[in-house]
Amino acid sequence: KNQVEQSPQSLIILEGKNCTLQCNYTVSPFSNLRWYKQDTGRGPVSLTIMTFSENTKSNGRYTATLDADTKQSSLHITASQLSDSASYICVVSARTGANNLFFGTGTRLTVIP
Amino acid sequence: DSGVTQTPKHLITATGQRVTLRCSPRSGDLSVYWYQQSLDQGLQFLIQYYNGEERAKGNILERFSAQQFPDLHSELNLSSLELGDSALYFCASSVEGQGEYNEQFFGPGTRLTVL
Repeated sequence: KNQVEQSPQSLIILEGKNCTLQCNYTVSPFSNLRWYKQDTGRGPVSLTIMTFSENTKSNGRYTATLDADTKQSSLHITASQLSDSASYICVVSARTGANNLFFGTGTRLTVIP
Repeated sequence: DSGVTQTPKHLITATGQRVTLRCSPRSGDLSVYWYQQSLDQGLQFLIQYYNGEERAKGNILERFSAQQFPDLHSELNLSSLELGDSALYFCASSVEGQGEYNEQFFGPGTRLTVL
């Protein structure tokens, strides 16, 4: 069964600190993995996309890693800011099927001053 | 701003009623997707349309229906509303209907409250 699991469910960190969010998936055949940022009450916005052959990708203070062998991805946030407070959603695409997107339930990150 | 627009932003109605949510995709995008997000829950895929035709169906209730019009805007109709239908409803659009790298751009959502 195709699934995407994220951990932790929620996280509170101090402003300026780093954090790492995890995503494990069982989607097959794997195509790509995206991380989205969703501010409260707003639509998700794509942060990064990684394909099978990529194992790291950065977008400013956000760095995503992918281990296609263990089917794990992480999103590392460096020098966190208050504006990083949001839900971070991992979405995995399969290479086949019309309904080929599988969503994690997200990690809710709160950055406090 | 993703370029996807949704109206209304907020909707409050009573149980048993029917509502229509509207979505306009980004210019040039042929595909529209609808998602439901209940409080503190993940995004649940409902249905996808591509160039006017239904392309994929997810966990959409029989009380819900959608369509995509010739100008590519889409409407999601929710009928016989129940308290549990209260949620954020997101529309997303993409250029293609399918494809490995087919990025979806999300609208701001419609918050539906059923009293």
